[in-house]
Amino acid sequence: RKEVEQDPGPFNVPEGATVAFNCTYSNSASQSFFWYRQDCRKEPKLLMSVYSSGNEDGRFTAQLNRASQYISLLIRDSKLSDSATYLCAVNVPSGGSYIPTFGRGTSLIVHP
Amino acid sequence: ETGVTQTPRHLVMGMTNKKSLKCEQHLGHNAMYWYKQSAKKPLELMFVYNFKEQTENNSVPSRFSPECPNSSHLFLHLHTLQPEDSALYLCASSFTSDSYNEQFFGPGTRLTVL
Repeated sequence: RKEVEQDPGPFNVPEGATVAFNCTYSNSASQSFFWYRQDCRKEPKLLMSVYSSGNEDGRFTAQLNRASQYISLLIRDSKLSDSATYLCAVNVPSGGSYIPTFGRGTSLIVHP
Repeated sequence: ETGVTQTPRHLVMGMTNKKSLKCEQHLGHNAMYWYKQSAKKPLELMFVYNFKEQTENNSVPSRFSPECPNSSHLFLHLHTLQPEDSALYLCASSFTSDSYNEQFFGPGTRLTVL
């Protein structure tokens, strides 16, 4: 089983739709969870950190479910400019430190 | 705008060539990372440096050799690469390599090995 798994999609949604992505992780001792956004042929950029209490930034809401070992990202009122690949990142314990481990990304296409 | 720069942005090299990738961060961070991103694959962590000390080598072949002369600069020296090494090589930095710090990525070097 992969350490961090995401549905690669693509998720193809109309403008204004609400879309949700999940990301599961296998190591229950993982710390620190993030969502990054990566546009085509560009570098990943941090979208949100994910906290146990959940956090919201405008149209974006991130949640962490430690019991079921997944994080989620909810995008409300999708815009064309939200089209991108969304990467989840989990810091996985390894030999006394933590290794940042990424999922393969979920592709989102928002169409008019 | 990202405070992490990488050069060159594109590189084509033969299997017998030696080249180096350079990364510089202007964010005052103490940890720097090299990642490899191939098509349809997740980002693969290659190396981690924290306060100039290498803290992680993720089973990377010896044809990739990192160098971190100070906390702001990171190099990846390449020699006798294989075509399957063609990928986007991304540098990132964070405040430290402790678990709670998000990473800031450079624009990457797109490498093609012929």
